[in-house]
Amino acid sequence: AQTVTQSQPEMSVQEAETVTLSCTYDTSESNYYLFWYKQPPSRQMILVIRQEAYKQQNATENRFSVNFQKAAKSFSLKISDSQLGDTAMYFCAFIIQGAQKLVFGQGTRLTINP
Amino acid sequence: ETGVTQTPRHLVMGMTNKKSLKCEQHLGHNAMYWYKQSAKKPLELMFVYNFKEQTENNSVPSRFSPECPNSSHLFLHLHTLQPEDSALYLCASSPTRDGANEKLFFGSGTQLSVL
Repeated sequence: AQTVTQSQPEMSVQEAETVTLSCTYDTSESNYYLFWYKQPPSRQMILVIRQEAYKQQNATENRFSVNFQKAAKSFSLKISDSQLGDTAMYFCAFIIQGAQKLVFGQGTRLTINP
Repeated sequence: ETGVTQTPRHLVMGMTNKKSLKCEQHLGHNAMYWYKQSAKKPLELMFVYNFKEQTENNSVPSRFSPECPNSSHLFLHLHTLQPEDSALYLCASSPTRDGANEKLFFGSGTQLSVL
Protein backbone atom coordinates (compact mmCIF):
# COMPACT_ATOMS: atom_id res chain seq x y z
CA ALA A 1 0.00 0.00 0.00
CA GLN A 2 1.10 3.53 -0.70
CA THR A 3 0.94 5.75 2.35
CA VAL A 4 2.19 9.07 3.64
CA THR A 5 2.79 9.72 7.33
CA GLN A 6 3.12 13.12 8.93
CA SER A 7 3.99 12.49 12.54
CA GLN A 8 3.48 16.04 13.80
CA PRO A 9 -0.24 16.91 14.01
CA GLU A 10 0.54 20.43 15.21
CA MET A 11 3.54 22.74 15.46
CA SER A 12 3.99 26.27 16.66
CA VAL A 13 6.98 28.62 16.29
CA GLN A 14 7.75 32.29 16.63
CA GLU A 15 7.89 34.57 13.65
CA ALA A 16 11.32 34.61 11.91
CA GLU A 17 12.27 31.20 13.29
CA THR A 18 13.05 28.19 11.15
CA VAL A 19 10.73 25.20 11.32
CA THR A 20 10.94 21.71 9.85
CA LEU A 21 7.91 19.56 9.10
CA SER A 22 8.50 15.85 8.77
CA CYS A 23 7.05 13.41 6.26
CA THR A 24 7.71 9.77 5.51
CA TYR A 25 6.13 7.73 2.78
CA ASP A 26 5.92 4.17 1.66
CA THR A 27 5.96 2.88 -1.89
CA SER A 28 7.61 0.07 -3.79
CA GLU A 29 7.81 2.19 -6.93
CA SER A 30 11.04 3.89 -7.95
CA ASN A 31 9.67 6.69 -10.14
CA TYR A 32 7.52 9.14 -8.29
CA TYR A 33 7.14 12.77 -7.35
CA LEU A 34 6.78 14.39 -3.94
CA PHE A 35 4.93 17.54 -2.99
CA TRP A 36 4.19 19.84 -0.12
CA TYR A 37 0.86 21.64 -0.26
CA LYS A 38 -0.29 24.43 2.02
CA GLN A 39 -3.91 24.97 3.06
CA PRO A 40 -4.50 28.32 4.77
CA PRO A 41 -7.76 29.18 6.55
CA SER A 42 -9.22 30.11 3.17
CA ARG A 43 -9.20 26.31 2.55
CA GLN A 44 -7.57 26.65 -0.85
CA MET A 45 -4.72 24.17 -1.30
CA ILE A 46 -1.62 25.75 -2.77
CA LEU A 47 1.49 23.96 -4.03
CA VAL A 48 4.55 24.94 -2.02
CA ILE A 49 7.28 22.77 -3.50
CA ARG A 50 7.80 19.73 -5.72
CA GLN A 51 10.59 17.14 -5.89
CA GLU A 52 11.30 14.51 -8.50
CA ALA A 53 12.43 11.27 -6.87
CA TYR A 54 15.11 10.69 -9.50
CA LYS A 55 16.82 13.97 -8.60
CA GLN A 56 19.30 13.90 -5.74
CA GLN A 57 19.39 17.67 -5.41
CA ASN A 58 16.90 18.98 -2.90
CA ALA A 59 14.27 21.37 -4.25
CA THR A 60 14.12 24.95 -2.99
CA GLU A 61 11.58 27.72 -3.45
CA ASN A 62 12.64 30.95 -1.77
CA ARG A 63 12.23 30.35 1.99
CA PHE A 64 11.04 26.78 1.48
CA SER A 65 13.38 23.85 1.00
CA VAL A 66 13.17 20.10 1.36
CA ASN A 67 15.43 17.40 2.72
CA PHE A 68 14.78 14.41 0.50
CA GLN A 69 16.23 11.11 1.70
CA LYS A 70 15.15 8.51 -0.83
CA ALA A 71 16.57 5.47 0.92
CA ALA A 72 14.87 6.45 4.14
CA LYS A 73 11.71 7.50 2.27
CA SER A 74 11.76 10.80 4.06
CA PHE A 75 10.74 14.18 2.67
CA SER A 76 10.84 16.99 5.21
CA LEU A 77 9.98 20.64 4.58
CA LYS A 78 12.05 23.45 6.04
CA ILE A 79 10.60 26.93 6.28
CA SER A 80 13.19 29.62 6.95
CA ASP A 81 12.46 33.07 8.36
CA SER A 82 8.87 32.05 9.03
CA GLN A 83 6.15 34.63 8.51
CA LEU A 84 2.65 35.04 9.92
CA GLY A 85 1.25 34.20 6.49
CA ASP A 86 2.85 30.76 6.72
CA THR A 87 0.21 29.77 9.27
CA ALA A 88 -1.68 26.92 7.60
CA MET A 89 -2.16 23.18 7.33
CA TYR A 90 0.70 21.58 5.44
CA PHE A 91 0.20 18.37 3.53
CA CYS A 92 2.87 16.06 2.21
CA ALA A 93 1.88 14.07 -0.88
CA PHE A 94 3.32 11.86 -3.59
CA ILE A 95 2.28 10.48 -6.93
CA ILE A 96 3.62 7.57 -8.93
CA GLN A 97 4.88 8.36 -12.42
CA GLY A 98 1.99 7.89 -14.85
CA ALA A 99 -0.68 7.74 -12.14
CA GLN A 100 -3.48 10.19 -11.51
CA LYS A 101 -3.86 9.64 -7.79
CA LEU A 102 -2.04 11.98 -5.44
CA VAL A 103 -1.61 10.29 -2.03
CA PHE A 104 -1.74 12.72 0.87
CA GLY A 105 -0.67 12.61 4.49
CA GLN A 106 -2.93 13.70 7.32
CA GLY A 107 -1.38 17.14 7.55
CA THR A 108 0.49 19.25 10.08
CA ARG A 109 -1.16 22.35 11.47
CA LEU A 110 1.53 25.04 11.65
CA THR A 111 1.02 28.22 13.63
CA ILE A 112 3.43 31.14 13.38
CA ASN A 113 3.19 33.36 16.43
CA PRO A 114 4.04 37.08 16.40
CA GLU B 1 -8.14 33.81 -7.08
CA THR B 2 -6.76 30.57 -8.49
CA GLY B 3 -9.23 30.23 -11.31
CA VAL B 4 -11.12 27.33 -9.72
CA THR B 5 -14.46 28.35 -8.23
CA GLN B 6 -16.63 26.09 -6.10
CA THR B 7 -20.22 26.69 -5.04
CA PRO B 8 -21.80 26.62 -2.59
CA ARG B 9 -19.17 27.35 0.04
CA HIS B 10 -21.26 25.70 2.74
CA LEU B 11 -24.10 23.18 2.47
CA VAL B 12 -26.27 21.54 5.08
CA MET B 13 -28.52 18.74 3.95
CA GLY B 14 -30.68 16.00 5.35
CA MET B 15 -30.10 12.37 4.51
CA THR B 16 -33.08 12.29 2.16
CA ASN B 17 -32.17 15.46 0.25
CA LYS B 18 -30.68 15.73 -3.21
CA LYS B 19 -28.13 18.46 -3.80
CA SER B 20 -25.32 19.25 -6.19
CA LEU B 21 -21.87 20.74 -5.80
CA LYS B 22 -20.49 22.82 -8.63
CA CYS B 23 -16.95 23.47 -9.76
CA GLU B 24 -15.84 25.76 -12.55
CA GLN B 25 -12.33 26.44 -13.79
CA HIS B 26 -11.25 29.33 -15.97
CA LEU B 27 -7.74 28.07 -16.65
CA GLY B 28 -8.25 26.16 -19.87
CA HIS B 29 -7.37 22.89 -18.15
CA ASN B 30 -8.48 19.50 -19.44
CA ALA B 31 -8.43 17.44 -16.26
CA MET B 32 -10.66 17.95 -13.24
CA TYR B 33 -10.78 16.15 -9.89
CA TRP B 34 -12.98 15.69 -6.84
CA TYR B 35 -11.25 15.17 -3.49
CA LYS B 36 -12.82 14.52 -0.09
CA GLN B 37 -11.20 16.01 3.01
CA SER B 38 -12.56 14.54 6.24
CA ALA B 39 -11.50 15.63 9.70
CA LYS B 40 -8.31 13.91 10.84
CA LYS B 41 -8.02 11.85 7.63
CA PRO B 42 -5.86 12.32 4.55
CA LEU B 43 -7.39 13.83 1.45
CA GLU B 44 -8.98 11.13 -0.64
CA LEU B 45 -9.24 11.24 -4.41
CA MET B 46 -12.79 10.50 -5.51
CA PHE B 47 -13.00 11.02 -9.26
CA VAL B 48 -10.86 12.17 -12.18
CA TYR B 49 -12.13 13.50 -15.49
CA ASN B 50 -9.95 14.05 -18.51
CA PHE B 51 -11.43 15.76 -21.57
CA LYS B 52 -14.90 15.18 -20.03
CA GLU B 53 -14.34 11.44 -19.70
CA GLN B 54 -14.15 9.79 -16.30
CA THR B 55 -10.73 8.18 -15.98
CA GLU B 56 -10.77 7.25 -12.31
CA ASN B 57 -13.40 6.31 -9.75
CA ASN B 58 -11.73 5.56 -6.44
CA SER B 59 -14.40 3.11 -5.23
CA VAL B 60 -16.79 5.90 -4.38
CA PRO B 61 -20.32 4.91 -3.23
CA SER B 62 -23.04 5.44 -5.81
CA ARG B 63 -24.75 8.06 -3.66
CA PHE B 64 -22.08 10.36 -5.12
CA SER B 65 -22.65 10.90 -8.81
CA PRO B 66 -20.20 13.09 -10.77
CA GLU B 67 -20.94 14.87 -14.00
CA CYS B 68 -18.57 16.66 -16.35
CA PRO B 69 -20.49 18.31 -19.20
CA ASN B 70 -17.37 20.05 -20.53
CA SER B 71 -13.75 20.59 -19.56
CA SER B 72 -14.58 23.72 -17.58
CA HIS B 73 -17.37 22.40 -15.37
CA LEU B 74 -17.61 19.56 -12.88
CA PHE B 75 -20.54 18.64 -10.69
CA LEU B 76 -21.00 16.26 -7.82
CA HIS B 77 -24.61 15.16 -7.37
CA LEU B 78 -25.47 14.00 -3.88
CA HIS B 79 -28.40 11.86 -2.76
CA THR B 80 -29.30 9.84 0.32
CA LEU B 81 -26.05 10.74 2.00
CA GLN B 82 -24.97 9.56 5.44
CA PRO B 83 -23.67 11.67 8.34
CA GLU B 84 -20.19 10.22 7.77
CA ASP B 85 -20.20 11.89 4.36
CA SER B 86 -19.86 15.24 6.11
CA ALA B 87 -16.56 16.68 4.91
CA LEU B 88 -14.88 19.36 2.84
CA TYR B 89 -15.20 18.53 -0.85
CA LEU B 90 -12.41 20.00 -2.93
CA CYS B 91 -12.33 20.39 -6.67
CA ALA B 92 -9.06 20.69 -8.57
CA SER B 93 -7.89 21.01 -12.14
CA SER B 94 -4.68 20.55 -14.09
CA PRO B 95 -3.67 21.01 -17.73
CA THR B 96 -3.75 17.26 -18.32
CA ARG B 97 -4.15 14.25 -16.04
CA ASP B 98 -0.39 13.89 -15.67
CA GLY B 99 -0.41 14.66 -11.99
CA ALA B 100 3.28 13.95 -11.62
CA ASN B 101 4.42 16.70 -13.90
CA GLU B 102 1.76 19.26 -13.31
CA LYS B 103 0.55 21.37 -10.51
CA LEU B 104 -2.99 20.91 -9.28
CA PHE B 105 -5.05 24.07 -8.88
CA PHE B 106 -7.61 23.74 -6.11
CA GLY B 107 -10.82 25.55 -5.31
CA SER B 108 -11.78 26.61 -1.79
CA GLY B 109 -14.10 23.68 -1.33
CA THR B 110 -17.67 23.08 -0.22
CA GLN B 111 -18.06 22.31 3.48
CA LEU B 112 -20.84 19.73 3.59
CA SER B 113 -22.78 18.77 6.70
CA VAL B 114 -25.21 15.87 6.53
CA LEU B 115 -27.78 15.81 9.33
